[in-house]
Amino acid sequence: GQQVMQIPQYQHVQEGEDFTTYCNSSTTLSNIQWYKQRPGGHPVFLIQLVKSGEVKKQKRLTFQFGEAKKNSSLHITATQTTDVGTYFCAGLPNTGNQFYFGTGTSLTVIP
Amino acid sequence: GAGVSQSPSNKVTEKGKDVELRCDPISGHTALYWYRQSLGQGLEFLIYFQGNSAPDKSGLPSDRFSAERTGGSVSTLTIQRTQQEDSAVYLCASSWAGGRTDTQYFGPGTRLTVL
Repeated sequence: GQQVMQIPQYQHVQEGEDFTTYCNSSTTLSNIQWYKQRPGGHPVFLIQLVKSGEVKKQKRLTFQFGEAKKNSSLHITATQTTDVGTYFCAGLPNTGNQFYFGTGTSLTVIP
Repeated sequence: GAGVSQSPSNKVTEKGKDVELRCDPISGHTALYWYRQSLGQGLEFLIYFQGNSAPDKSGLPSDRFSAERTGGSVSTLTIQRTQQEDSAVYLCASSWAGGRTDTQYFGPGTRLTVL
């Protein structure tokens, strides 16, 4: 069945260090979305990638969609304490309307 | 405007009891999703409503789980004969049209604890 895996599950970084989370799908995706969930909060939409090889940037965040549309990454440059939270990818297969969420990467930033 | 709201925010129940969780989507959103998030886990899809179409129930874990959406707006997720493994945060999300590129807006969730 459809699976979306994320690594790492947990990441602790010193403030100012970079952070990357990777998302891999067992099947080709139509598009992929990224969400951030702060501790005790609910997921909030960050961005959507649709095209093969697409790269989008939001300030210190860089999102990539693989050429084969089966993997994606989120990279944060020079982390800040406000980046703390769990980052989820959500992949949409080529058929159907069900998004498959990854297991999430929990980021801790040490001041 | 108002976001997605869910009630109750917390629910503690005894094993074997039935519970109802409510979701009020953003006004005008035709698509509504229910997810379950267990401690430290990702989001598990449960059910999806889109307009007047038959709901996609493929994620419901057992026949103890059911959901309704009345009048294309408010939705209720019902869990019958609750079990301890049902303990989780139940999240509701809505989107404009449930399209393949729509953003999902999540509610604050209902934390269910089954004793």
